[in-house]
Parts: sequence; structure tokens; C-alpha cells
Amino acid sequence: GPKVLQIPSHQIIDMGQMVTLNCDPVSNHLYFYWYKQILGQQMEFLVNFYNGKVMEKSKLFKDQFSVERPDGSYFTLKIQPTALEDSAVYFCASSSTRYEQYFGPGTRLTVL
Amino acid sequence: QQQVRQSPQSLTVWEGETAILNCSYEDSTFDYFPWYWQFPRESPALLIAIRPVSNKKEDGRFTIFFNKREKKLSLHITDSQPGDSATYFCAAYRRNYKPTFGKGTSLVVHP
Repeated sequence: GPKVLQIPSHQIIDMGQMVTLNCDPVSNHLYFYWYKQILGQQMEFLVNFYNGKVMEKSKLFKDQFSVERPDGSYFTLKIQPTALEDSAVYFCASSSTRYEQYFGPGTRLTVL
Repeated sequence: QQQVRQSPQSLTVWEGETAILNCSYEDSTFDYFPWYWQFPRESPALLIAIRPVSNKKEDGRFTIFFNKREKKLSLHITDSQPGDSATYFCAAYRRNYKPTFGKGTSLVVHP
């Protein structure tokens, strides 16, 4: 089926540093999402993005978070500065409609 | 406030039995209910989904039963197989694009 790619698969950084997580969505998809999952827990919606704009974000999407998709390339999640509680697996998803989402393999972020 | 609740938290069945996973929600504006399964260290994948216009959706061994009045739905897995062992997430979507996931049910199918 359609593949969503995420780069990197793992990222270890020191608290306070900036990190950018990259997502390569399915080529004809229009809706993009970021989710956060702490090990063994539920998926938490962070933000979705359509037509170059943030459509909806949750309270987990702190001011330190930002998303963009410059010139139709990677859909990125930037965290600046990072905090210890940002350690989690971050999943990107994309969809052609607002419904059926395809998830990437995730980026495991560890903030020390 | 947990808007999508799942039960049980974990479930163990024997191979060949029917596993029943439950989900309930609070907001009647939800209009799409997918179930995702997630294997350890993998990403969630869409398993089956239903909209409130239907009260049943079937795909092979997987069936969603939906009760709009009670705001409940359940996923039935008939003839459970060890390969069905995974965490199952019920999710609910609104028109404003914001999906809400339940905490998941961890299913173990013993051979």
C-alpha cells in the first residue's frame, strides 16, 4: 500500500536543543498529521495541515512546536527548544481525504 | 476528559475464539470511526472503519457493530488467530479534522 516515510528513525538530543522531524507523505495526499505516542500509551493528536495551513492543533502542540511543508517537500515538525517530556515516538500520517490516514514508521525522539 | 474510551485494557483469547473489543464516545458530532491495529514497534495501520449511517461493517473476520443511540461500538474478531495479537485503537473523527484516539486494547491470542 501507500508508504509514508520518516527521517530519522531515531534522534537523541540534549534538552534545549532544536530538532526537526521529517515526513515524506504519500505523493498525492493533501492532508498531513503529526501524532505523539509515549511507549505503550495511546496516540495523541498534535496537529493537522492542509493547503499550506494548520487546520487544527491540540493542547499538546506547544508554542515550541511548528510545522511546515516548504515547496511541497518534506512535511516537518520542529521543536525548539526541546524539553524532557518531548521524549516519545512521533508519527506522521497523510491522507487524500480527511479520513483514511496512512502512518509512517515513526521517529523515536529521546531528549536527555 | 477522555472523549473516546476503550475496554478492556487488555484481552486474552484462545485461537479460534471471538474477541470483542469495546469503544464508547461522548461527542455526537463524531462522524467517522476507524479502528487501527498496531504491532509492537510498528506504526498503526487502518483495519476497518464505519460511519454513523451504518450499524454494521464487516470485512472478513472483522466486524464493527455500531449503536449510535448509546454512542457505543465494538469490534468483533471471529476465529481469532495468533497473528491478530496487537494493540487495537478505536478513533473518532469530527468535521474539524481533529482525530481522537482511545487508549487501546492489547489483544493476545494464544495458540
